[in-house]
Amino acid sequence: AQSVTQPDIHITVSEGASLELRCNYSYGATPYLFWYVQSPGQGLQLLLKYFSGDTLVQGIKGFEAEFKRSQSSFNLRKPSVHWSDAAEYFCAVGKGDMRFGAGTRLTVKP
Amino acid sequence: NAGVTQTPKFQVLKTGQSMTLQCAQDMNHNSMYWYRQDPGMGLRLIYYSASEGTTDKGEVPNGYNVSRLNKREFSLRLESAAPSQTSVYFCASSQSGRGQPQHFGDGTRLSIL
Repeated sequence: AQSVTQPDIHITVSEGASLELRCNYSYGATPYLFWYVQSPGQGLQLLLKYFSGDTLVQGIKGFEAEFKRSQSSFNLRKPSVHWSDAAEYFCAVGKGDMRFGAGTRLTVKP
Repeated sequence: NAGVTQTPKFQVLKTGQSMTLQCAQDMNHNSMYWYRQDPGMGLRLIYYSASEGTTDKGEVPNGYNVSRLNKREFSLRLESAAPSQTSVYFCASSQSGRGQPQHFGDGTRLSIL
């Protein structure tokens, strides 16, 4: 069965520092992979998605993610974090029946 | 610029009461979804509708029913609410396909006493 693990429940970074949020998945075939962001009191917003092709995917708000098949990972990165990036981030995997990770809450220190 | 609109935003029910959560999208999307979000568990799919007139069960459908009233609207009904259904409910939509929601509403926070 497909599943998603986000190992970090909570991460704190300083504004301007780089960011990497980890995502590991279990899936029988080449998966579709997604990252969403959720600000407090709001719904999820799609940041980026991977279906096939280039393993480095660019998304909105300056985020990117890299699909590494050998590591079953799809980590989200941003070179320089802004205070407005503070939110909860969800990784998801699947084609017909998507599964979400439990989320990583990002705090940004001034 | 509405996107996906959910009503109500908050609701408190007593065990055994019934309630319908409403969802409407104005993007002419074919697919609509209902998820629940519980602490530490991410989102879990309750039901989805690939197109008007069709609905299918997701990961956690027990205790819920849905109606795809037309292309715009997709409602979720709790016939006899239970405390285990206390959660935040999200409606979402996408142009096509299953399991790949693009746009989410702001959620309905439901408490069942």
